[in-house]
Amino acid sequence: DADVTQTPRNRITKTGKRIMLECSQTKGHDRMYWYRQDPGLGLRLIYYSFDVKDINKGEISDGYSVSRQAQAKFSLSLESAIPNQTALYFCATQGYTDTQYFGPGTRLTVL
Amino acid sequence: GENVEQHPSTLSVQEGDSAVIKCTYSDSASNYFPWYKQELGKRPQLIIDIRSNVGEKKDQRIAVTLNKTAKHFSLHITETQPEDSAVYFCAASYGGSQGNLIFGKGTKLSVKP
Repeated sequence: DADVTQTPRNRITKTGKRIMLECSQTKGHDRMYWYRQDPGLGLRLIYYSFDVKDINKGEISDGYSVSRQAQAKFSLSLESAIPNQTALYFCATQGYTDTQYFGPGTRLTVL
Repeated sequence: GENVEQHPSTLSVQEGDSAVIKCTYSDSASNYFPWYKQELGKRPQLIIDIRSNVGEKKDQRIAVTLNKTAKHFSLHITETQPEDSAVYFCAASYGGSQGNLIFGKGTKLSVKP
């Protein structure tokens, strides 16, 4: 779904570095989410935002922070990356229906 | 906390056979149950969903059933084809009106020609 984009698509970094993953959407949706996917663990919610002024922690927020710069943009930051944050990260959006639309994902490797 | 359990974790079937994936949820207030399909290297995409006021929903070869009393729901794929091979995730809403989703751990379905 080209309406939800993520940058970068792949990133390799070192332990202790600060990393920002970006998500943009042209769907006009108010709700945005960041998930982490690990093999065998499914999708786990990191943070979510229901509008520009609303930020909420999800199941696994420790070590992460977010910024909702505009309705269309939601960024995820790792202040000091560690190897166990190596994972596939998905952004998702949701409008007035219950359906969540996922971005293409960012594969992050922390060495 | 809330939880969704999904079984089996892997499923292998012959082309043309049926496949069934089952999920159980813990939050009795859950009212929305989507199923996502994730092909290798791709994003999860919604294939079917069901709300708590409906017991069954069909869309061509796929169907979902919901048993609210037992708090479980299932995905049924009939006449499987190789292109059905993917990882399937169930999810359940929680948190009341906020409508966040909690996902199962996924089922890797392989359809052998």
